[in-house]
Amino acid sequence: RKEVEQDPGPFNVPEGATVAFNCTYSNSASQSFFWYRQDCRKEPKLLMSVYSSGNEDGRFTAQLNRASQYISLLIRDSKLSDSATYLCAVNTPGTYKYIFGTGTRLKVLA
Amino acid sequence: GAGVSQSPSNKVTEKGKDVELRCDPISGHTALYWYRQSLGQGLEFLIYFQGNSAPDKSGLPSDRFSAERTGGSVSTLTIQRTQQEDSAVYLCASSSPQDYEQYFGPGTRLTVT
Repeated sequence: RKEVEQDPGPFNVPEGATVAFNCTYSNSASQSFFWYRQDCRKEPKLLMSVYSSGNEDGRFTAQLNRASQYISLLIRDSKLSDSATYLCAVNTPGTYKYIFGTGTRLKVLA
Repeated sequence: GAGVSQSPSNKVTEKGKDVELRCDPISGHTALYWYRQSLGQGLEFLIYFQGNSAPDKSGLPSDRFSAERTGGSVSTLTIQRTQQEDSAVYLCASSSPQDYEQYFGPGTRLTVT
């Protein structure tokens, strides 16, 4: 099993839709989680940290499910500009080394 | 403030040559990371530096790869005797010790011919 896994997609959704992605991780002791957004041929940009209590930033909500070892990202009211690849990052326990998932590609359609 | 900068932005080299890639992190960030991303692939961890601690080199793919960080700031990733499979985008990121949120530079696109 890979340390961090994501469904590669693509997820094709109409504008205004709600879409959710999951990212599973193998090490139950991981403590630190992030979501990044990467546009084509650009560097990843930090989208959200993922806190154990869950966190929300506008249309974006991130949650952590420790029991099932996954984090999720929910996007409400999708915009065309949300089209990108979404990467999750999970730390290796006891270190600040992060393993990134291979990303989930989202296409928001007009 | 200034973000993470990397140079060069593009590098084309012949197989067998050595290359040096540079990363200038955000001022005050004590952690610095190098990743590699091949076309259409995810980020592959290479190495990270944290303050004055010994770097975690566990992701370096071979002994042709090395990195150093001078004065706790600028870092150089060196690839010796480049091979075609080294062609990729090399990304650098830095983070503060408070939150470990990583901020990436624009990357160096390396092409080995």
